[in-house]
Amino acid sequence: ETGVTQTPRHLVMGMTNKKSLKCEQHLGHNAMYWYKQSAKKPLELMFVYNFKEQTENNSVPSRFSPECPNSSHLFLHLHTLQPEDSALYLCASSQGLAGESYEQYFGPGTRLTVT
Amino acid sequence: GQNIDQPTEMTATEGAIVQINCTYQTSGFNGLFWYQQHAGEAPTFLSYNVLDGLEEKGRFSSFLSRSKGYSYLLLKELQMKDSASYLCAVRDSNYQLIWGAGTKLIIKP
Repeated sequence: ETGVTQTPRHLVMGMTNKKSLKCEQHLGHNAMYWYKQSAKKPLELMFVYNFKEQTENNSVPSRFSPECPNSSHLFLHLHTLQPEDSALYLCASSQGLAGESYEQYFGPGTRLTVT
Repeated sequence: GQNIDQPTEMTATEGAIVQINCTYQTSGFNGLFWYQQHAGEAPTFLSYNVLDGLEEKGRFSSFLSRSKGYSYLLLKELQMKDSASYLCAVRDSNYQLIWGAGTKLIIKP
């Protein structure tokens, strides 16, 4: 148990559906992240929020829309996804962005399948 | 471009020692991390190096040479539960983590 929870753990959706992934951290951290993990590929950073403000958007398609209402919650809204978007979506948090080690704590992930 | 290289897969025997190498080319350097990820689970933090040298933490040690763009993770007295993927990540000049694809470690009895 890392202190970061994600729901749902598994999601199957059609290309025309709209769904949302939820992440919550109970660690009092200020930074939160969304990553995409595909088999045999490096983790891909999608979005970074620091003190609820988005600081990074790594050329992610607009069919992925993040929302960070407060420092403890992070959402990823999904619409009109493509089959290649099927992957494990990981949420992480850290105390801050810079300085010290500030290691990231990961949630268990949402296994997304787009049909 | 930025690049992290590590072997795709390694096999070792229970009780033995294994060294997992990581080489990197990044825009700046603000620390190197090693994470462990068991199949179907979240990555968990193992170690952090920002200065050259060896950091020891129980059965696990991590080494860094910034001049060579090189790190390794050393696992001693291997146990079956060490079977996992080991991810190397470098924090660049923008404090973004650049990740390697991971090394899958298989432990045999």
